[in-house]
Amino acid sequence: DGGITQSPKYLFRKEGQNVTLSCEQNLNHDAMYWYRQDPGQGLRLIYYSQIVNDFQKGDIAEGYSVSREKKESFPLTVTSAQKNPTAFYLCASRSGGVYGYTFGSGTRLTVV
Amino acid sequence: DQQVKQNSPSLSVQEGRISILNCDYTNSMFDYFLWYKKYPAEGPTFLISISSIKDKNEDGRFTVFLNKSAKHLSLHIVPSQPGDSAVYFCAASTSGGSNYKLTFGKGTLLTVNP
Repeated sequence: DGGITQSPKYLFRKEGQNVTLSCEQNLNHDAMYWYRQDPGQGLRLIYYSQIVNDFQKGDIAEGYSVSREKKESFPLTVTSAQKNPTAFYLCASRSGGVYGYTFGSGTRLTVV
Repeated sequence: DQQVKQNSPSLSVQEGRISILNCDYTNSMFDYFLWYKKYPAEGPTFLISISSIKDKNEDGRFTVFLNKSAKHLSLHIVPSQPGDSAVYFCAASTSGGSNYKLTFGKGTLLTVNP
């Protein structure tokens, strides 16, 4: 079965530490996205990539970094520069037009 | 500045009645509109969509209406069922360029009471 996998589902880190969230897809989708959700907020775009070795900043990229070395993988690093890292993070991939999105099940990051 | 607004954080309806979820947008370049359903700690799932060349799209119990002049769309669920209880996000995108980025509203929590 094709799909998009985010791991782990829950992640705890100490303040000041960098942490990397995994996102893997076997859908052969070219485009991949990272969104953040906070309570009472919509999904906000952090970074996106339309092709391997290329990515662009979204609306709230500060304090985050990404890489796209393989088509299947789009890891997100939450750095110590991110002021409020505790959130629910969603990865998505897309094929075709706007109706081609597939979302992962998310990672809840808690920084203590 | 929020380009997609869902002004009702929550909505409660009785089973069998109609649920109406509203969404407003400010960016006139948006030409695709999508509704997603989301349960806690899960990713959103696509529900129904409409493009700007239409004013209505229907899929079973779900109908989306688009009023371009008012920059307003609504999702109607008839009849509502307890399994419909979830957060509903309105999202919009433009066909210009190829990145098809989605801009989401803040969501509306729908509770359908048995």
